[in-house]
Amino acid sequence: EVQLLESGGDLVQPGGSLRLSCVGTGFTFGSYALTWVRQAPGKGLEWVSTISGSGDNTFYADSVKGRFTISRDNSQNTLYLQMNSLRGEDAAMYYCAKDATPYYWGQGTLVTVSS
Amino acid sequence: QSVLTQPPSASGTPGQRVTISCSGSSSNVGSNYVYWYQQLPGMPPKLLVYRNNQRPSGVPDRLSGSKSGTSASLAISGLRSEDEADYYCAVWDDKLSGPVFGGGTKLTVL
Repeated sequence: EVQLLESGGDLVQPGGSLRLSCVGTGFTFGSYALTWVRQAPGKGLEWVSTISGSGDNTFYADSVKGRFTISRDNSQNTLYLQMNSLRGEDAAMYYCAKDATPYYWGQGTLVTVSS
Repeated sequence: QSVLTQPPSASGTPGQRVTISCSGSSSNVGSNYVYWYQQLPGMPPKLLVYRNNQRPSGVPDRLSGSKSGTSASLAISGLRSEDEADYYCAVWDDKLSGPVFGGGTKLTVL
């Protein structure tokens, strides 16, 4: 059974940094692209970033380009999202998902940006 | 404003058939597979349809997806109260090099 478990969400001040993690089990981790998708309270789904299975290729939404970095450690079955220069509009539930267009989703981790 | 256009709301009575549309462009719907998700309050999205019209195991056949040109749709027949949820379409966009989502459709079962 495919499982994705996110962690690292927290309350952070504007301008601060946070690193999210996502551990994937139940599939050959390094064979699949992985994606971060976020959802602000009461809003729709927004793509954040995608990384290829090898980690060689990364893609970012314009809204986070230059501030967020996606990476993965296939030896640890773990996906990361390093978020810097956080803004109020980054506050959201962050989901990690298997595949470039999501197939399986994790339960999400909540990021709150407030002073 | 979302890249894919969905109606913000839809409704039907139990047993009816409802359809939710998803309109895009040649760089997304017109050239890639469409996915559909259901999201219940407080839960992550759940995949209902992938590759335009394929259902993951466990998704009932009263749900079906279709695509024509730059538009796609999700049909739910035999509507039930438990179908009341938000529904999203998604597709990879070749110009953005990432998946794009519709704004979501809130389905109400009257």
